[in-house]
Amino acid sequence: DAGITQSPRHKVTETGTPVTLRCHQTENHRYMYWYRQDPGHGLRLIHYSYGVKDTDKGEVSDGYSVSRSKTEDFLLTLESATSSQTSVYFCATGQGALDTEAFFGQGTRLTVV
Amino acid sequence: TQLLEQSPQFLSIQEGENLTVYCNSSSVFSSLQWYRQEPGEGPVLLVTVVTGGEVKKLKRLTFQFGDARKDSSLHITAAQPGDTGLYLCAGARPTGNQFYFGTGTSLTVIP
Repeated sequence: DAGITQSPRHKVTETGTPVTLRCHQTENHRYMYWYRQDPGHGLRLIHYSYGVKDTDKGEVSDGYSVSRSKTEDFLLTLESATSSQTSVYFCATGQGALDTEAFFGQGTRLTVV
Repeated sequence: TQLLEQSPQFLSIQEGENLTVYCNSSSVFSSLQWYRQEPGEGPVLLVTVVTGGEVKKLKRLTFQFGDARKDSSLHITAAQPGDTGLYLCAGARPTGNQFYFGTGTSLTVIP
């Protein structure tokens, strides 16, 4: 199994506060992804990275920013959390894009009150 | 509206029954994957199909990629309680670096 660690695993925060979620990998995979999972929507891509300092937007990027200063770390920041951002967030990594396997972390459950 | 729609959204069947889950889109994909997710865990890859019309078998699971590469199906024969989980399809478009996930099918197999 790819070593992917998400932190924190659970977080409750107040509306309007900034929140940063961290994804750390030990597999030296080039690609890293942040998804959110909501009932009835499967997984929706927020942002992804194809290398250090190389990032791009996904389907639902509004209200989120990312940074990747090292191969192993990919940070997701909610600049000002809203209740609509209450969700389970998954980080994934892959050696290549597209048809190679994506390895997922265990998820972070974020509740915005 | 999501790029990949799965049906049914929920499925509850008795052990031993057969079932089919569908993953449909109006867009063409260069490849399509199926993942299975258990509660509290991230999805785990089951299979990748890349050629239109391709059929792959994984024990009691049969995966098919549509001829036009716009849809896929997952068929489970003689379902077992251990098959319970959320099944997700995911597709890669011919251009770009994004994987689009389907809406998911939650399967419960009752002993």
